[in-house]
Amino acid sequence: AQSVTQLGSHVSVSEGALVLLRCNYSSSVPPYLFWYVQYPNQGLQLLLKYTSAATLVKGINGFEAEFKKSETSFHLTKPSAHMSDAAEYFCAVSGGFKTIFGAGTRLFVKA
Amino acid sequence: KAGVTQTPRYLIKTRGQQVTLSCSPISGHRSVSWYQQTPGQGLQFLFEYFSETQRNKGNFPGRFSGRQFSNSRSEMNVSTLELGDSALYLCASSLREETTPLHFGNGTRLTVT
Repeated sequence: AQSVTQLGSHVSVSEGALVLLRCNYSSSVPPYLFWYVQYPNQGLQLLLKYTSAATLVKGINGFEAEFKKSETSFHLTKPSAHMSDAAEYFCAVSGGFKTIFGAGTRLFVKA
Repeated sequence: KAGVTQTPRYLIKTRGQQVTLSCSPISGHRSVSWYQQTPGQGLQFLFEYFSETQRNKGNFPGRFSGRQFSNSRSEMNVSTLELGDSALYLCASSLREETTPLHFGNGTRLTVT
């Protein structure tokens, strides 16, 4: 069975600081991994996806994630946080005609 | 290209009633998935349809059902509503599951009183 674990339900950073959101996955087959972002009162939007082409994946809004098979991790990073990055972020793994989401990490950005 | 459209946006129902939610996927997308989002349980997978066939379903009681039409539009139905069914119900479409990302609608906020 596939599963996703996001470490930290809340992360707070200062504007301009590094953003690091952690995600570990469990999958019996090569995983298809995604990061999504959700703003208040909206659905989820795709940030980036990993589909085995490259271990470092670049997404929208300056976000990127690195796939590490040995650590079963797919952490999301952004070098410099902006106030507009404040939102909830979800890591997800896809397979077997369903996508499973982690519990989400709410990112707070302080001025 | 128009995004995923969910109607209605908000809904208030009474315990014991039933409700039908609608989802129109992005044109050309044949896979539609439904999720229930609550503060306590997060995003829970309900079911996935592809070309009118349910290919997978989550761990929800039989009160939750869905269907997909030949034009890929989908509906989900919840019968005998309970207070715990209050949630944001999200629909997502994709070209196909697994390798392609999901495109989400803005959801239907269901409140059961």
